[in-house]
Amino acid sequence: NAGVTQTPKFRVLKTGQSMTLLCAQDMNHEYMYWYRQDPGMGLRLIHYSVGEGTTAKGEVPDGYNVSRLKKQNFLLGLESAAPSQTSVYFCASSPTGTVSNQPQHFGDGTRLSIL
Amino acid sequence: GDSVTQMEGPVTLSEEACLTINCTYTATGYPSLFWYVQYPGEGLQLLLKATKADDKGSNKGFEATYRKETTSFHLEKGSVQVSDSAVYFCALVNLQGAQKLVFGQGTRLTINP
Repeated sequence: NAGVTQTPKFRVLKTGQSMTLLCAQDMNHEYMYWYRQDPGMGLRLIHYSVGEGTTAKGEVPDGYNVSRLKKQNFLLGLESAAPSQTSVYFCASSPTGTVSNQPQHFGDGTRLSIL
Repeated sequence: GDSVTQMEGPVTLSEEACLTINCTYTATGYPSLFWYVQYPGEGLQLLLKATKADDKGSNKGFEATYRKETTSFHLEKGSVQVSDSAVYFCALVNLQGAQKLVFGQGTRLTINP
């Protein structure tokens, strides 16, 4: 069972470069989420999607863009990377939002360093 | 807005010691509460949950009780093992709001043999 798969697992970028992180889920989930994890701050929601073709801003959306062209994929883009975006990024999915008996399923994370 | 506060870490214990990780929350309405665990190099996994006041969630020897009067959801285990070493996150979802998880800052737990 693949679950939620994130690509790549590690990446080093220079300031100003762009890149796209890919999240794929094979559970037919409607909702998908992108978080960043920073020391001492837990996970903070960047953007989320409640279905194919829809996206919405989370707590810390600035500097990121997302797309949900296919139900199973949720892409996170950095147009011009900045050192402040050095973080571990997690993707998650859930069937119909975070209702009490349907918690989010997480990928293993992407460690991104911006020099 | 909604928020979750966990006890400061890191926490280091010896094997077979008792564990308590404190978690308190602020939310409107009646949120559902969760504990997630993150093992080294992995994503988050749901450990246990509680959906209403006085519910007790349990899994793998861990327990947490939803205390509405103290707005708390403390994680407990009577005898920890080396394999319990991980980062633990308390989280809530407020069903009256946008139904997004709100996480605490995480508590790193290390168990020494």
